[in-house]
Amino acid sequence: QKEVEQNSGPLSVPEGAIASLNCTYSDRGSQSFFWYRQYSGKSPELIMFIYSNGDKEDGRFTAQLNKASQYVSLLIRDSQPSDSATYLCAVPLFYNQGGKLIFGQGTELSVKP
Amino acid sequence: DTEVTQTPKHLVMGMTNKKSLKCEQHMGHRAMYWYKQKAKKPPELMFVYSYEKLSINESVPSRFSPECPNSSLLNLHLHALQPEDSALYLCASSQGTSNSETQYFGPGTRLLVL
Repeated sequence: QKEVEQNSGPLSVPEGAIASLNCTYSDRGSQSFFWYRQYSGKSPELIMFIYSNGDKEDGRFTAQLNKASQYVSLLIRDSQPSDSATYLCAVPLFYNQGGKLIFGQGTELSVKP
Repeated sequence: DTEVTQTPKHLVMGMTNKKSLKCEQHMGHRAMYWYKQKAKKPPELMFVYSYEKLSINESVPSRFSPECPNSSLLNLHLHALQPEDSALYLCASSQGTSNSETQYFGPGTRLLVL
């Protein structure tokens, strides 16, 4: 069974700080990784997609991938109260001519003003 | 445009009712998905349609019946549900099913079974 693990939190950071969210995965063959943000009562929305080792930056968000250590992280710089949400790490699995996302349990982030 | 629409937004049904959830996308995506999400849990895959054919059924009870009438539409027919089926039902779509394809989620239907 392929697994994706995240600390469930809640992770609390003050406004303006860097929030660091971590995810580890069990399948060494996994090639690509997604970070979704989900506000309470809403659906997941894509934040980042990464498939190469190293860092990928998009605005205040940076995804970091280390395939040798099997972890992927998401850094949020200058955290804002509006970043308070659950962040889901997801790894795609292709089989039976279809595919699915294997999600971690999600990390709840709270940014305090 | 990366919009997936779902109707209805909310649904309350009794255990003897029959109802349907609808999902639509106009992005030309060829893969569509149904996920179920309980509170404080991640989404769990139910079904995958690829090129309008059911490719994955994650051992979902037969009281849930998916249908893909065309490449833009996905339905989930509900019959004789149980209270434990109450959840947020999410539809998603992607261009294809390779490991680099982003899945875009609709807003979901919040279902309550009484």
